[in-house]
Amino acid sequence: AQRVTQPEKLLSVFKGAPVELKCNYSYSGSPELFWYVQYSRQRLQLLLRHISRESIKGFTADLNKGETSFHLKKPFAQEEDSAMYYCAIDNFNKFYFGSGTKLNVKP
Amino acid sequence: DTAVSQTPKYLVTQMGNDKSIKCEQNLGHDTMYWYKQDSKKFLKIMFSYNNKELIINETVPNRFSPKSPDKAHLNLHINSLELGDSAVYFCASSRDRGNTIYFGEGSWLTVV
Repeated sequence: AQRVTQPEKLLSVFKGAPVELKCNYSYSGSPELFWYVQYSRQRLQLLLRHISRESIKGFTADLNKGETSFHLKKPFAQEEDSAMYYCAIDNFNKFYFGSGTKLNVKP
Repeated sequence: DTAVSQTPKYLVTQMGNDKSIKCEQNLGHDTMYWYKQDSKKFLKIMFSYNNKELIINETVPNRFSPKSPDKAHLNLHINSLELGDSAVYFCASSRDRGNTIYFGEGSWLTVV
C-alpha cells in the first residue's frame, strides 16, 4: 500500500530560523512527489514537485530514495510561510496526501 | 480567470437533506477529482474521472454520487446528509498522470 507520512502535526519556529518539514513515503515503483501548501482559508496550491528540482519561495525538497523521504526545507523561515503543508505522492492519477503539517512561524 | 471553480463556497444544511456541489475547470484537463478534507485537515480522495469516465471510486458511501456531464465539469451530489459529512470538499483537475493537480477553493459544508 502506498503511504505518505508526515510525522509532525505542528511545527513552530521563530522567524529567520531554518525549517524542515518531514515527509516519508512507502511506494513500490517510481514515485512522483509533491509538496502542496494551503494558506489560511485559501485553496491548496502546488509548492514544488521533485522532478522540477526547483526552489519556490525559498523552499527546496530533495527526493532521497534510500531513505524514502522528501523533506521540505527552508533556511530562513518568514511569517508569511505560516500555513498547512501537505506532502503527496502520485500513483496513476491518484494522489495520496500525508496528513499535513501546520507550520507556525513566530515573529 | 479562475482555473478550477466550485460552488457554493459555503453551505449550511440540515441532516437528511440532499445537496450538490458543482465544479468546473477551464484548463482543458482530462482528469478531475473530488477530495474531502476533514476536521483534522486530512485530505482523502473520493472520486476521480478521466474524460467523463469514473476511474477511481474510493470507499465512499453511496449517498455520494459524482456526475460528469462533460470533461470540464464534475459535480458532487450528496443524499441524506449526515453530521459526519461536515467537511471541506475540494475539487481538482490535472492534465494527466504525473501532472500538477490544480485545486478549487474548497466548499465548506456544515450539516446541522
